[in-house]
Amino acid sequence: ELKVEQNPLFLSMQEGKNYTIYCNYSTTSDRLYWYRQDPGKSLESLFVLLSNGAVKQEGRLMASLDTKARLSTLHITAAVHDLSATYFCAVDSGYGGATNKLIFGTGTLLAVQP
Amino acid sequence: DVKVTQSSRYLVKRTGEKVFLECVQDMDHENMFWYRQDPGLGLRLIYFSYDVKMKEKGDIPEGYSVSREKKERFSLILESASTNQTSMYLCASWNGRSGGSNQPQHFGDGTRLSIL
Repeated sequence: ELKVEQNPLFLSMQEGKNYTIYCNYSTTSDRLYWYRQDPGKSLESLFVLLSNGAVKQEGRLMASLDTKARLSTLHITAAVHDLSATYFCAVDSGYGGATNKLIFGTGTLLAVQP
Repeated sequence: DVKVTQSSRYLVKRTGEKVFLECVQDMDHENMFWYRQDPGLGLRLIYFSYDVKMKEKGDIPEGYSVSREKKERFSLILESASTNQTSMYLCASWNGRSGGSNQPQHFGDGTRLSIL
């Protein structure tokens, strides 16, 4: 059974600092998604990672996937207040073809302080 | 732009009532999903559907059923609501097979359901 662990669960960081959120999963998968959720809002797709070694960047966020280590990271560079939100990783429970039956991590609540 | 619309943002119902949550997507997606979101547990899949009149159980289907009579609409039904079904419910759609597998699921704004 696929399990997805995110850490940390809560991250308070200062503006301008760098930090990384980790997403570990327990069984083989080659599709991983990162989402952002603002309070009271829906989930917004950030990145789709489809193969080992995949790296995607958008603004101050960069995501990577290591399928051998079953690990994805979401790196935040020079954080700004606008990045404050909850971040979720989600792993496709299939392998070699998308099932899109996703297992979500518990989320990381990021609070960027001025 | 992709649009997934859930009929209610907030809903209050009583124990034992039959509750319907509605979701409509305008992207002609084949796949639709219902999740519940609880603090500390992330999102958990209740049911999903990959075609009209087709449905499959997710990880926590007990106490729920679904209906998909038209491609654009996916309904979640709480047969006899209980207090432990108080939660945020999120609907999502995905164009999977026809649109390629490199797309994310698109989510609605959620329905916050309280069962008293």
